[in-house]
Amino acid sequence: EPEVTQTPSHQVTQMGQEVILRCVPISNHLYFYWYRQILGQKVEFLVSFYNNEISEKSEIFDDQFSVERPDGSNFTLKIRSTKLEDSAMYFCASSDGQGNTEAFFGQGTRLTVV
Amino acid sequence: QKEVEQNSGPLSVPEGAIASLNCTYSDRGSQSFFWYRQYSGKSPELIMSIYSNGDKEDGRFTAQLNKASQYVSLLIRDSQPSDSATYLCAVGGKDNFNKFYFGSGTKLNVKP
Repeated sequence: EPEVTQTPSHQVTQMGQEVILRCVPISNHLYFYWYRQILGQKVEFLVSFYNNEISEKSEIFDDQFSVERPDGSNFTLKIRSTKLEDSAMYFCASSDGQGNTEAFFGQGTRLTVV
Repeated sequence: QKEVEQNSGPLSVPEGAIASLNCTYSDRGSQSFFWYRQYSGKSPELIMSIYSNGDKEDGRFTAQLNKASQYVSLLIRDSQPSDSATYLCAVGGKDNFNKFYFGSGTKLNVKP
């Protein structure tokens, strides 16, 4: 069964460092998303991406964040200068967008900023 | 502010019983509604989607949607201990149906 895959599963970084979280969406999907979940809190929308550009972003997604689809399969989230409050689970998701809005989530990357 | 509200629980049911999970949402124009299951430390797993008023059944799961009351529910029949998890309600906003607002989830415990 097709699935969204994310790497790494766990990333520990020092405050102020840049991190790149990687995702391979389901191959025939057209919409890609990043969500995050701080421990014990709701899943929060960060950004959606379609046709090689951001279609929507939340207020959380400030200038420290960027997304990129560097090739035909990968979808990345970059945090330029990590803060302690960026520690969370980051989930990539994708949907086919063809009359079916169901989004399927990857297994997540646990980001720990120390 | 678009809100999705769920009772945090825990909801405890005995094995074999029906578990009923509820969700309300604030944006009357919402068009898509989803239930995800999330085990501790894992990612959300899609269980059901529903787009029209009424019931939608898939195996032991039934989703119910009432747009007039801005209410969506999930029934789990013949609950199993493996159903013990947090159930997340997600709602697609009308301005961008691919952006979901999540509730905080209801923790379900199914006792053997």
